[in-house]
Amino acid sequence: DAKTTQPPSMDCAEGRAANLPCNHSTISGNEYVYWYRQIHSQGPQYIIHGLKNNETNEMASLIITEDRKSSTLILPHATLRDTAVYYCIVSTLSGNTGKLIFGQGTTLQVKP
Amino acid sequence: GAVVSQHPSWVICKSGTSVKIECRSLDFQATTMFWYRQFPKQSLMLMATSNEGSKATYEQGVEKDKFLINHASLTLSTLTVTSAHPEDSSFYICSALPIPGLAGGAETQYFGPGTRLLVL
Repeated sequence: DAKTTQPPSMDCAEGRAANLPCNHSTISGNEYVYWYRQIHSQGPQYIIHGLKNNETNEMASLIITEDRKSSTLILPHATLRDTAVYYCIVSTLSGNTGKLIFGQGTTLQVKP
Repeated sequence: GAVVSQHPSWVICKSGTSVKIECRSLDFQATTMFWYRQFPKQSLMLMATSNEGSKATYEQGVEKDKFLINHASLTLSTLTVTSAHPEDSSFYICSALPIPGLAGGAETQYFGPGTRLLVL
């Protein structure tokens, strides 16, 4: 079973920031928080991951709370092409093994 | 970088036949690849973990004799759906975990575009 909880759906206005929350209250010390998204009928796309520090890349920012029990993915300027299902996953991915167990994710609808 | 391809992108077959799906890491090597299945309006379900040069590890409830996995090289894993039936119709997706130090390191899985299988 997935170890994260996400809202099933969210809307966001084009050009505005999209803030997607994720709860992972049972996260272990060696587990990372990963975010992927899946645009309709495509394979998942890696967005970002982090352990305990906030992370930023060209796609998004990841804010992890100090107790690591929750996190927020931020898309700073959402576009229509960001409409997708966003998955928050915790995993170790250690020693060239590890699994990504997908939950139901959040369906983000970016509206003009 | 970090591109994973799948072939074919879609396939239609008759019930009872076998179908082979290829997963290739194009610009990196991966000792570990994963196979997922996704039914309409559902999330991805992990089927098995494929390790180069060794037997695949299947998730509970996945029939290893029906879903044959071969990982013969560091860039290729294949999934064969044997004696396919209409209930096997699904979207099959693979992912690859780069060897540490290559293409982003061992911490990120990269996914293929998926293969849509329709069994008539």
